[in-house]
Amino acid sequence: GNSVTQMEGPVTLSEEAFLTINCTYTATGYPSLFWYVQYPGEGLQLLLKATKADDKGSNKGFEATYRKETTSFHLEKGSVQVSDSAVYFCALSDGGNSGNTPLVFGKGTRLSVIA
Amino acid sequence: DVKVTQSSRYLVKRTGEKVFLECVQDMDHENMFWYRQDPGLGLRLIYFSYDVKMKEKGDIPEGYSVSREKKERFSLILESASTNQTSMYLCATTDFMGNYEQYFGPGTRLTVT
Repeated sequence: GNSVTQMEGPVTLSEEAFLTINCTYTATGYPSLFWYVQYPGEGLQLLLKATKADDKGSNKGFEATYRKETTSFHLEKGSVQVSDSAVYFCALSDGGNSGNTPLVFGKGTRLSVIA
Repeated sequence: DVKVTQSSRYLVKRTGEKVFLECVQDMDHENMFWYRQDPGLGLRLIYFSYDVKMKEKGDIPEGYSVSREKKERFSLILESASTNQTSMYLCATTDFMGNYEQYFGPGTRLTVT
């Protein structure tokens, strides 16, 4: 079945450091890929997505590129801020090819950014 | 903006009680979901519903049931709460499966003592 593996946290960085959170997936067909973010005390919200190979999703300075050859969707940001402290979830969908199939989530990576 | 509301942010119940968690969405979405979130385990799907009165089991349905009598409301029921059901419960909704965004409520932190 479909699955998502993302790097375990927690990740602690200083402000303005470069961020990478690794995400790899296993899926049949051609899934869509997502990054969700959960700020403290809140539900998840969509950060960015990519729906086909070589697409790059971007939002709020974060980027991720859909790499079919390495089955990866790594999240990057060039300069993190304290306000980026949150839990980040990688997720995939099979694109609805199999009908009503919910998203599959990774286990989440907690990021703490210190001033 | 889509709004997904959950009936309580924090809830404390006793072992053996019947517990109802309510989720309401205001965007006329077809699909609704219940997840639980636990440290180190991420999000795990309990049940989802793609239409009124329809339900599908997720990965961990044991000990839970759901009800969807109206399109906007999806209820999670713990028939007899146990301490291992202490968790954060998240509701989500989307209009279509596939590459469409899921919208999440703020979560209910349930403690069973």
